[in-house]
Amino acid sequence: AQSVTQPDIHITVSEGASLELRCNYSYGATPYLFWYVQSPGQGLQLLLKYFSGDTLVQGIKGFEAEFKRSQSSFNLRKPSVHWSDAAEYFCAANAGNNRKLIWGLGTSLAVNP
Amino acid sequence: EAGVAQSPRYKIIEKRQSVAFWCNPISGHATLYWYQQILGQGPKLLIQFQNNGVVDDSQLPKDRFSAERLKGVDSTLKIQPAKLEDSAVYLCASSLGLALDEQFFGPGTRLTVL
Repeated sequence: AQSVTQPDIHITVSEGASLELRCNYSYGATPYLFWYVQSPGQGLQLLLKYFSGDTLVQGIKGFEAEFKRSQSSFNLRKPSVHWSDAAEYFCAANAGNNRKLIWGLGTSLAVNP
Repeated sequence: EAGVAQSPRYKIIEKRQSVAFWCNPISGHATLYWYQQILGQGPKLLIQFQNNGVVDDSQLPKDRFSAERLKGVDSTLKIQPAKLEDSAVYLCASSLGLALDEQFFGPGTRLTVL
């Protein structure tokens, strides 16, 4: 069955440190991949997406993600985390011919001052 | 550009009562989604509309949940009767078209069933 896995339920980093959030997918073919952020009291917002082409994707708020077909992964990265990045991060995938997004369970990010 | 509007933001009801949520999507967006997000989980799609037609309602518990999108604009989601396990945040999202278009989310309605 199609699935998206975020292995880390909760991550804590210090402000200014680098960040990597993991996402693995299980699909018959390469799906379309998304990262969303959900800040406290706010709606979900799209950070970036990968459809095809360059495997390193740039997004908003200084985030990037790298698609690795061999590892079935789409990890989210940021070189220097800000306190305002504390939020819930969701990875999602869409097989294309199925218009329903499949969501991971999310990773909660805490940022220490 | 105004975002996706939802109301109410919070609702507390007792089990077996009914409740309704309202969503107004971004103007011009043909596709509207209702998601259920239980604490600690990712969103689960309940129903997806394209204009006023249903594209996917495979995960909608149709014995108690109903949704409509009259005139292809705003939408209501109803639960009747509510159960304890319906406690969740109900998210509405909209997009220009189908499939790979970015979904824009509203702030959600937090439902507590006692």
